[in-house]
Amino acid sequence: DAMVIQNPRYQVTQFGKPVTLSCSQTLNHNVMYWYQQKSSQAPKLLFHYYDKDFNNEADTPDNFQSRRPNTSFCFLDIRSPGLGDAAMYLCATSNGDSNQPQHFGDGTRLSIL
Amino acid sequence: QKEVEQDPGPLSVPEGAIVSLNCTYSNSAFQYFMWYRQYSRKGPELLMYTYSSGNKEDGRFTAQVDKSSKYISLFIRDSQPSDSATYLCAMSLAYGQNFVFGPGTRLSVLP
Repeated sequence: DAMVIQNPRYQVTQFGKPVTLSCSQTLNHNVMYWYQQKSSQAPKLLFHYYDKDFNNEADTPDNFQSRRPNTSFCFLDIRSPGLGDAAMYLCATSNGDSNQPQHFGDGTRLSIL
Repeated sequence: QKEVEQDPGPLSVPEGAIVSLNCTYSNSAFQYFMWYRQYSRKGPELLMYTYSSGNKEDGRFTAQVDKSSKYISLFIRDSQPSDSATYLCAMSLAYGQNFVFGPGTRLSVLP
């Protein structure tokens, strides 16, 4: 089945230690998104790639960066995680040429020690 | 005022009940409306997707959009314990625009 896969499902890192979360997709969608979701809150869009074009949300901290080396893969880099960055990180994809809804992965739950 | 509002619940109903979940929004320009179901420790899963006003039915699920009132609803008939999850509404302005999510309503269907 075509899908969005996030690895790892659970990630523990230390305060200030860089961490990378990964997302891959077999849907061949041209748009990939990264969301942060804290408990009982709506997913908060961090940034998205429309093809190779990177679009950062205005309130996304500089601590968060992303890379998309090809259509199938996208990475979320957190340079110096703080305690407030503990959350579920969701990757989503969509076909941006037809305003179809987003398809989500199962997320990576990040814990900060 | 938040762009999309949703009663966070939790909402508890007995098995077999009809469930009504609702969202209100402030931006009258929204045209595309979605409902996602999110189980604990999983990503959101698309349930329903509608464009503009009207109703859409899929099995036990019915989505309604009332653009004049800026109000959308999801009805679940014959609710099952497996429907217990958080339900997120989402909406977007138009072609290629990003989606705005509500905070979700947590539903528990009791056997």
